[in-house]
Parts: sequence; C-alpha cells; structure tokens
Amino acid sequence: DARVTQTPRHKVTEMGQEVTMRCQPILGHNTVFWYRQTMMQGLELLAYFRNRAPLDDSGMPKDRFSAEMPDATLATLKIQPSEPRDSAVYFCASGLGAGADEQYFGPGTRLTVT
Amino acid sequence: LAKTTQPISMDSYEGQEVNITCSHNNIATNDYITWYQQFPSQGPRFIIQGYKTKVTNEVASLFIPADRKSSTLSLPRVSLSDTAVYYCLVEGYSTLTFGKGTMLLVSP
Repeated sequence: DARVTQTPRHKVTEMGQEVTMRCQPILGHNTVFWYRQTMMQGLELLAYFRNRAPLDDSGMPKDRFSAEMPDATLATLKIQPSEPRDSAVYFCASGLGAGADEQYFGPGTRLTVT
Repeated sequence: LAKTTQPISMDSYEGQEVNITCSHNNIATNDYITWYQQFPSQGPRFIIQGYKTKVTNEVASLFIPADRKSSTLSLPRVSLSDTAVYYCLVEGYSTLTFGKGTMLLVSP
C-alpha cells in the first residue's frame, strides 16, 4: 500500500529556530505539493513541483520559507527563522503529474512555534 | 485564479442523501473540479473528480452544470463515518484553489 510519508509528525520549536520538514512521495509520482493548514485559513498551497522543478511557489513567504527536491524521493520544506504564526499542520501530497490528477496526501507535520 | 465558495457546515442524519454545492464563478476552460474528504488528524483524501456533466463512482456523484460555475457533491445514504470536512478544489495545469471546506455532521 503506497503512501506519502512525512517526518517529523510533530515538531515543537522556539521562535527563531530553523525547521526542516521532509516528505517522501509515492514512488513513481512526479508531482509534489506542499500545503499549510490552519483553522483560520484552511488549506493553503505553498509550493508544488513537477519532475523536481518548482512550478509554483507564489503561496510561500519567500523571506523565510524554502522548498526543494534534492532527488525524486525527497522533498523538503524549510523555515528559517521560524515564527509563532508559522504554527500549523504542513501537508505534503504527491501525484502522477497528469494535469489535474489525484493527490495523495501524507499524514502531515504538526508544527508549533513558541 | 478561480475562487471557490462552499457552505461552512451542514447537518444530516444517517441514511439521508447529502448534497454539498461549491461555487467557482471564475473557473477556467482547462480546470477540473475535484472533491476531497478530510478526517481529523489526517490528510485529505480524494473522493471524485469531474470536468462537466455527471460523474459517479462507488462513493459519490458529482454534478456539474453546463456553465461549470458550480458543482455539487452528492453522497447517497450517509453514515456516521461520513462525518468529515469536504473540500472543493478547482485544479488546472498550473493552478490549485481549495475551498474553505464544509464540515458535514451526520447524526444517528
């Protein structure tokens, strides 16, 4: 049963610290998405990649957030420096990349910045 | 970008049919409409996707009128386990817009 995996599942950190979240997409999927979910804003698309190339990162605060795909099996989302307003659940999803295709979501990383 | 609007919440009883409508007035020609279901502490899960008219699978139906400015997710005979948040997504080759979600509460 292929699944998207995310690590860590929970992260508590202090303001100003660097946070790195990792995602392993489903093998064979060539599209990867990063979302942030909060009660106030709902699901927000931060960035997404196709064939490891960034297609859209307009939803991501550029001054502190960065997203990369070092290889086809790993996507990372970094926040440096972190702020309390970054507290949220961050989801990674992957898909086959055929235009509007089904996204498979990971379990999420719950980030708390104090 | 196509903005989507859904009701914040809906209530239903077991065995009833539930219809959740999403409006997306600015949908583009190449955009598809996808619905996801989310349970607490889990990531969203794909339910159904369509472009126009009607699509049906084993769990739901999706109705899309000719102008495609709205879509309706239909859940037949809901059960308690259908209590979840349902998201409407307008999706194109380079655009993704999730709605705020509809919290469906199914009661006995």
